[in-house]
Amino acid sequence: AQSVTQPDIHITVSEGASLELRCNYSYGATPYLFWYVQSPGQGLQLLLKYFSGDTLVQGIKGFEAEFKRSQSSFNLRKPSVHWSDAAEYFCAVGLNTGGFKTIFGAGTRLFVKA
Amino acid sequence: NAGVMQNPRHLVRRRGQEARLRCSPMKGHSHVYWYRQLPEEGLKFMVYLQKENIIDESGMPKERFSAEFPKEGPSILRIQQVVRGDSAAYFCASSSRKQDSGNTIYFGEGSWLTVV
Repeated sequence: AQSVTQPDIHITVSEGASLELRCNYSYGATPYLFWYVQSPGQGLQLLLKYFSGDTLVQGIKGFEAEFKRSQSSFNLRKPSVHWSDAAEYFCAVGLNTGGFKTIFGAGTRLFVKA
Repeated sequence: NAGVMQNPRHLVRRRGQEARLRCSPMKGHSHVYWYRQLPEEGLKFMVYLQKENIIDESGMPKERFSAEFPKEGPSILRIQQVVRGDSAAYFCASSSRKQDSGNTIYFGEGSWLTVV
């Protein structure tokens, strides 16, 4: 069955430090891959997406993610975290299974300390 | 440039009442998705609709929940005889399903249902 795994429930980083959020997926074909961010009480905002081509994709707010087929991973990175990045981050996989739907990982809550 | 519009943003219902959540997709989008987010949990897919058709309802509870996306008007997620366990945030998303959009879905701000 298709699935998305975000192994870290919580991550705490210092402001200015680098960040990597992990995401692994299970899907037979090459999936569409997404990262979304959710602030408390808000909807989800798309950070970036991968469909094909260059495996390193750039997103908004200084985020990037790298697709590694051999590892079935799509990790999110940012070289220097700002306090405003504190939020919940969701990795998602878009599946074309007759219809099309997107399934989400459980999310990683990012805390930023001064 | 309106995004996905959901209303109400917050809804309080007593046990046994009905809840109706509405979603207007982004302009030009004809595909709507409903997700549920329980406290401290991720998003769970519920249903995928096109105009007048349910494409995939594999995530919908078998009873009390229904969804529609009529030819005119918003998509409606309806929960009958609500129970406390229905308290959650319900998110609507839409897509155009055009090839160059890669089927990216865009979310509304959510509707927070509280059952008392």
